[in-house]
Amino acid sequence: EPEVTQTPSHQVTQMGQEVILRCVPISNHLYFYWYRQILGQKVEFLVSFYNNEISEKSEIFDDQFSVERPDGSNFTLKIRSTKLEDSAMYFCASSETGLAGETQYFGPGTRLLVL
Amino acid sequence: QKEVEQNSGPLSVPEGAIASLNCTYSDRVSQSFFWYRQYSGKSPELIMSIYSNGDKEDGRFTAQLNKASQYVSLLIRDSQPSDSATYLCAASRRALTFGSGTRLQVQP
Repeated sequence: EPEVTQTPSHQVTQMGQEVILRCVPISNHLYFYWYRQILGQKVEFLVSFYNNEISEKSEIFDDQFSVERPDGSNFTLKIRSTKLEDSAMYFCASSETGLAGETQYFGPGTRLLVL
Repeated sequence: QKEVEQNSGPLSVPEGAIASLNCTYSDRVSQSFFWYRQYSGKSPELIMSIYSNGDKEDGRFTAQLNKASQYVSLLIRDSQPSDSATYLCAASRRALTFGSGTRLQVQP
């Protein structure tokens, strides 16, 4: 069964460093998402991406964040200058066409720890 | 402000009982609703989606939606210890808005 994959599974970084989180969405899916979950808190939407551009973003997704589809398979989230409060689980998700109400399939997540 | 509210629990039920999980949402524009299960340290896993008022059954799970009351629920019949997890309710226009989850404990 096709699945969303994410690398790395864990990332430890120093405050102020740049990190890139990688995702491979399901191959025939067109809509991609990043969510994050701070420990003990709810899953929060960051950004959605379609046709090589941002479709929607939340107020969390400020200038320190960026997303990119560098090739035909990968989808990345870059955090330019990490802060302690960026420590969280980051989930990538994808859906087939992005139609409202369509199921989003989640990857296993990357646990980011900023020291 | 789009909000999804859930009782954090824990909800404790004995094995074989029915577990009832509830959720309310504030955004009347939301048309689609989802229940995800999340084990500790893992990603959300879809259990069910529901789009229309009424009940939708899938195996031991029944989702109920009442748009007038802005209320979604999930019933789990014949609860098993393996059902012990946090259950996330989500509302969707396109991006998902999640509730904080209800922790379910099924006692053997």
